[in-house]
Amino acid sequence: QSVLTQPPSASGTPGQRVTISCSGSSSNIGKQYVYWYQQLPGTAPKLLIYGNDQRPSGVPDRFSGSKSGASASLAISGLRSEDEADYYCAAWDDSLSGRVFGGGTKLTVL
Amino acid sequence: EVQLGESGGGLVQPGGSLRLSCAASGFTLSDYYIDWVRQAPGKGLEWVGRTRNKAKSYTTDYAASVKGRFTISRDDSKNSLYLHLNSLNTEDSAMYYCTRYTSGEPDYWGQGTLVTVSS
Repeated sequence: QSVLTQPPSASGTPGQRVTISCSGSSSNIGKQYVYWYQQLPGTAPKLLIYGNDQRPSGVPDRFSGSKSGASASLAISGLRSEDEADYYCAAWDDSLSGRVFGGGTKLTVL
Repeated sequence: EVQLGESGGGLVQPGGSLRLSCAASGFTLSDYYIDWVRQAPGKGLEWVGRTRNKAKSYTTDYAASVKGRFTISRDDSKNSLYLHLNSLNTEDSAMYYCTRYTSGEPDYWGQGTLVTVSS
């Protein structure tokens, strides 16, 4: 049971916009920065979003992050076949004194 | 360029020990927090522990699942740090990643090293 809650799966067709949610609490997302990662099979996680809504250089602006209260979202617009991957949210948790992750969302591009 | 490289993984019997290494380049290790994160085969990401920077006296935190069994140490002269794994069980089998973390800033991950606990 992950501290941060993500839907286990999401899907969309090429060109569509999809959103992945991440629900936490006041001890993590509510007061800490949210990070989002993309993981392709057999590879290390790749940083997509840091600081709730900031993109590292090299990440396309099709990817965007937002946060409201104790929840966060990752939006992917103009969906492409190469976006098919697992996506994870993460935040520091003050109560647990540890970093917590969502259980991951498997995105399928139909 | 910031780079992290893990090594030391392998096959170990239940109850055994292992030391993983994380070599850092492109930055001064003592200035940064470093986390260890693991991922069991087919499972999600799990935070293992953290060592803070010199300014925070290198304090550490550990996940409840590894506290008392795993220890993080650092050798800043070698720009390296280590994860000591003791009393291993099959549930510790995973890819282990070291990551450079600064709150609100981009983080950096290594490629991971695989630990398999099996008899």
